[in-house]
Amino acid sequence: ETGVTQSPTHLIKTRGQQVTLRCSSQSGHNTVSWYQQALGQGPQFIFQYYREEENGRGNFPPRFSGLQFPNYSSELNVNALELDDSALYLCASSWDSNEQYFGPGTRLTVT
Amino acid sequence: LAKTTQPISMDSYEGQEVNITCSHNNIATNDYITWYQQFPSQGPRFIIQGYKTKVTNEVASLFIPADRKSSTLSLPRVSLSDTAVYYCLVGTGRRALTFGSGTRLQVQP
Repeated sequence: ETGVTQSPTHLIKTRGQQVTLRCSSQSGHNTVSWYQQALGQGPQFIFQYYREEENGRGNFPPRFSGLQFPNYSSELNVNALELDDSALYLCASSWDSNEQYFGPGTRLTVT
Repeated sequence: LAKTTQPISMDSYEGQEVNITCSHNNIATNDYITWYQQFPSQGPRFIIQGYKTKVTNEVASLFIPADRKSSTLSLPRVSLSDTAVYYCLVGTGRRALTFGSGTRLQVQP
């Protein structure tokens, strides 16, 4: 148990729809990172938030957006869903350290 | 961010020691080396982290030579529950983690 929780656990959407995924950081952590993990591959960095500001972004289009709230929880929003967006979405929290604590992930299926 | 290279897969038997080596030729002076374990449909779990020489915790050891261009994760006496994907990463601070494809370890009875 890392103390990082994500919701929902599973989600099914259709192409063109929008989705919001949520993450609650481990207590005291001020940094949240989001990753996309396709089947059989390693997690790919989407973006990171530090104290409510975006602090870095990977190679993902603008339809992937996020928020971090004052309590350091976070949301990942994906607009205009495509079939290739089907993946496990992971969030990880940290406190100014090298060690990131991952949540269990949200499995998104786009049909 | 430094790129890492690991074997795609390894096989072992219960009770054996497993050593997984990772190459990171472009590691920066301030970079740490971190290993994660991931089971199917779960988030990666931190195993161990080091900067140089040897680090040991309750689950693994990490060996880092003086040039730091590689590292070896050592899992003593593996069990079936150690079957997972193991990722080696290098980085610093809050920076995003760059995962490679990892090493798929299969432990047989």
